[in-house]
Amino acid sequence: DIQMTQSPSSLSAFVGDRVTITCRASQSIANYLNWYQQKPGKAPKLLIYAASSLQSGVPSRFSGSGSGTDFTLTISSLQPEDFATYYCQQSYSTPFTFGPGTKVDI
Amino acid sequence: EVQLVESGGVVVQPGGSLRLSCAASGFTFDDYTMHWVRQVPGKGLEWVSLISWDGDSTYFADSVKGRFTISRDNSKTSLYLQMNSLRSEDTALYYCAKGRSSSRYDSFDIWGQGTMVTVSS
Repeated sequence: DIQMTQSPSSLSAFVGDRVTITCRASQSIANYLNWYQQKPGKAPKLLIYAASSLQSGVPSRFSGSGSGTDFTLTISSLQPEDFATYYCQQSYSTPFTFGPGTKVDI
Repeated sequence: EVQLVESGGVVVQPGGSLRLSCAASGFTFDDYTMHWVRQVPGKGLEWVSLISWDGDSTYFADSVKGRFTISRDNSKTSLYLQMNSLRSEDTALYYCAKGRSSSRYDSFDIWGQGTMVTVSS
């Protein structure tokens, strides 16, 4: 199985900050990497698919990059509604696996 | 409106069985791969199973293989998860999720609100 790791596990930031979250796969997954945002009591929401493609309706301050084993999610200017937990997920091979999550708070 | 609504979550005893359902609306159901994903409250996400658009291909996480079955009824735009030999570690919120495309190797772009399964004596 492909193991996914994320760093940091949590971070504190201010509104307006640039935030970067890193995700690493235990083997190459090409660009089969997706990012989700989850707020407390809510279902996850797709932000980025195929490593760098912005899902429809997602603000352009979110961006993704990377390929192979190393990926990043960047929020260019953190907004109050962005405080949440972020998960990466590989869809390269089953069983699909998620990273442990990165909690972004104030 | 594109929507997924799960149902069937209850409290069940260890060793028991349960069938979860997911009613889909607002999109052409039989164009897409569908998934089940679970989450222990306060913990991370775990992919459980997928089924291809036509129901011919299914895949499972090792933790549920041989105990869970996934199926779909495209005429009813519904997805199902049959859960047998339930264990305490199956306790979680179960989400139904739509694949972003017909490919099984894609992201999950629509999620339901989840249905809670509790395995306890």
